[in-house]
Amino acid sequence: KNEVEQSPQNLTAQEGEFITINCSYSVGISALHWLQQHPGGGIVSLFMLSSGKKKHGRLIATINIQEKHSSLHITASHPRDSAVYICAVRRSGTASKLTFGTGTRLQVTL
Amino acid sequence: DAGVIQSPRHEVTEMGQEVTLRCKPISGHNSLFWYRQTMMRGLELLIYFNNNVPIDDSGMPEDRFSAKMPNASFSTLKIQPSEPRDSAVYFCASSQGLAVLNEQFFGPGTRLTVL
Repeated sequence: KNEVEQSPQNLTAQEGEFITINCSYSVGISALHWLQQHPGGGIVSLFMLSSGKKKHGRLIATINIQEKHSSLHITASHPRDSAVYICAVRRSGTASKLTFGTGTRLQVTL
Repeated sequence: DAGVIQSPRHEVTEMGQEVTLRCKPISGHNSLFWYRQTMMRGLELLIYFNNNVPIDDSGMPEDRFSAKMPNASFSTLKIQPSEPRDSAVYFCASSQGLAVLNEQFFGPGTRLTVL
């Protein structure tokens, strides 16, 4: 079993829909990252969380440390949001070492 | 800002050849990370450096892989000899220090194909 599990693996939505991507982890962590990988392959860091909730534009990330779970929400989705979204955790005591989920492939259609 | 620079962007080589991937981190960043991405295993950390010193190389798959950071503005990842299973996209990332919430900035990646 992977230490970081994401669901769903694939997601198709229509423009305007509210989207939720989930990440569960089984190890103690000091922080959790959400990354976006564009169809061209580039990777961008969206959020880093150690507690609570963060918002940036139409993106919202939440984390529940007790339940070892994080969600990434996209409001009013748009085709340009189509990408792979990757959850990564920094395990406690491992400084900067990241362990990655396998990613959620999102396709937003018109 | 130039961002993290990687070269080459694409590399096709034959099994047994030596491959060298290069990375220039963002100026002022003192932590550098090498990742590998494959369809089967996703993203994996290979090695990371802080102030040019390797901190954790436990992700390096085997002795055929080596990484160096001779100065703050340059790092190499070398595979010798290369094998078809090394085919992957290799990403370099940099950050300011190793603090928990320091953002990592990724380079565009090098797509390696070993025939």
